Amino acid sequence: DAGVIQSPRHEVTEMGQEVTLRCKPISGHDYLFWYRQTMMRGLELLIYFNNNVPIDDSGMPEDRFSAKMPNASFSTLKIQPSEPRDSAVYFCASSFRSGLFNEQFFGPGTRLTVL
Amino acid sequence: QKEVEQNSGPLSVPEGAIASLNCTYSDRGSQSFFWYRQYSGKSPELIMFIYSNGDKEDGRFTAQLNKASQYVSLLIRDSQPSDSATYLCAVDRADGLTFGKGTHLIIQP
Repeated sequence: DAGVIQSPRHEVTEMGQEVTLRCKPISGHDYLFWYRQTMMRGLELLIYFNNNVPIDDSGMPEDRFSAKMPNASFSTLKIQPSEPRDSAVYFCASSFRSGLFNEQFFGPGTRLTVL
Repeated sequence: QKEVEQNSGPLSVPEGAIASLNCTYSDRGSQSFFWYRQYSGKSPELIMFIYSNGDKEDGRFTAQLNKASQYVSLLIRDSQPSDSATYLCAVDRADGLTFGKGTHLIIQP
């Protein structure tokens, strides 16, 4: 298995531009998570899906952020318009929950820089 | 409010010694607990999980859980330079993981 795949790996954009991050979870996993990591705030959960349905988006910072999961093998996180404070590493993770065990496998991340 | 607290470090440990990493959590409803290791510039990877009070050993790693004290720890025996990384404690309450900010561990050769 190729693991969780994210693209692009690096994104540099200017303030006000739209940014779309993409994720392909591990086949067979029923949960997908989007995280943001910064030095100041650590690893923050933005939103997660179960069977393609958004369950909790309380971590999404504001309306400029949106996420979709049109099918079991693809998800996007969109920021529009982007701001310099959105600069961070964005991770996608997937898991298959079995009882109390819920190992999340992380993708390599997308390093976003907003100028 | 779910909170997971860790000492940010850096924690410096000589090679061959035991490294002890600690984590406290605020939500008594938390059911399972995870330790992730993150090398600089890389993504987190799971190294241990625990959900019962007591100790759980896996090779050089031992996870300890005390639900009454809301305390989780990770011991790394015979520390190696390759153990130098940031260790993230994560708590699962069936609605996703809440991560601590991590402890930066440095193993000195």
